[in-house]
Amino acid sequence: GAVVSQHPSRVICKSGTSVKIECRSLDFQATTMFWYRQFPKKSLMLMATSNEGSKATYEQGVEKDKFLINHASLTLSTLTVTSAHPEDSSFYICSALTRALETQYFGPGTRLLVL
Amino acid sequence: GESVGLHLPTLSVQEGDNSIINCAYSNSASDYFIWYKQESGKGPQFIIDIRSNMDKRQGQRVTVLLNKTVKHLSLQIAATQPGDSAVYFCAEPQRGGNKLVFGAGTILRVKS
Repeated sequence: GAVVSQHPSRVICKSGTSVKIECRSLDFQATTMFWYRQFPKKSLMLMATSNEGSKATYEQGVEKDKFLINHASLTLSTLTVTSAHPEDSSFYICSALTRALETQYFGPGTRLLVL
Repeated sequence: GESVGLHLPTLSVQEGDNSIINCAYSNSASDYFIWYKQESGKGPQFIIDIRSNMDKRQGQRVTVLLNKTVKHLSLQIAATQPGDSAVYFCAEPQRGGNKLVFGAGTILRVKS
């Protein structure tokens, strides 16, 4: 149980385009999902907390208009990187949480490369 | 401030030996801790957790020890295997919420 998937696993795009990343909880309902960004050999940096049916809460320094988050159902949250630039290239990871599970379970990550 | 940190950034062990990965935390009110394993190019994988009312918890080949007196957490891996090579993070929920505070991570390298 507690499986979280992400799609796509890897994406390459041109500078200026937008990229959408999906995060799904496959076998449980996630009232809260989190989006992280991770640079090579570094720890995870929380970008935002996504609550089903409400606006996401962004961490300080994260542009909400740049990283659009939608949590439309209890099993799906999406992160859209708008007008992507090379500095947005990174490893993006989501996690899902339910009160019953208490623990965050992570997706496999999405590698974004902006050319 | 609240923080969870790691003593050793890199640990190299011989295959078959036991590994011990350490973590220090600063929030004495923390009541729940989690260890994650992250292999290269993958998301963190839950390994084991422990509550503050316990000193020790065992899983399959892994044991987590909690010393609340010195605010120290450790992950012990028995008979370390090449597949154990990864980055290991300790984490704790931020006070009053669901956000996780992660340590910097320890790279475990297993030599065959």
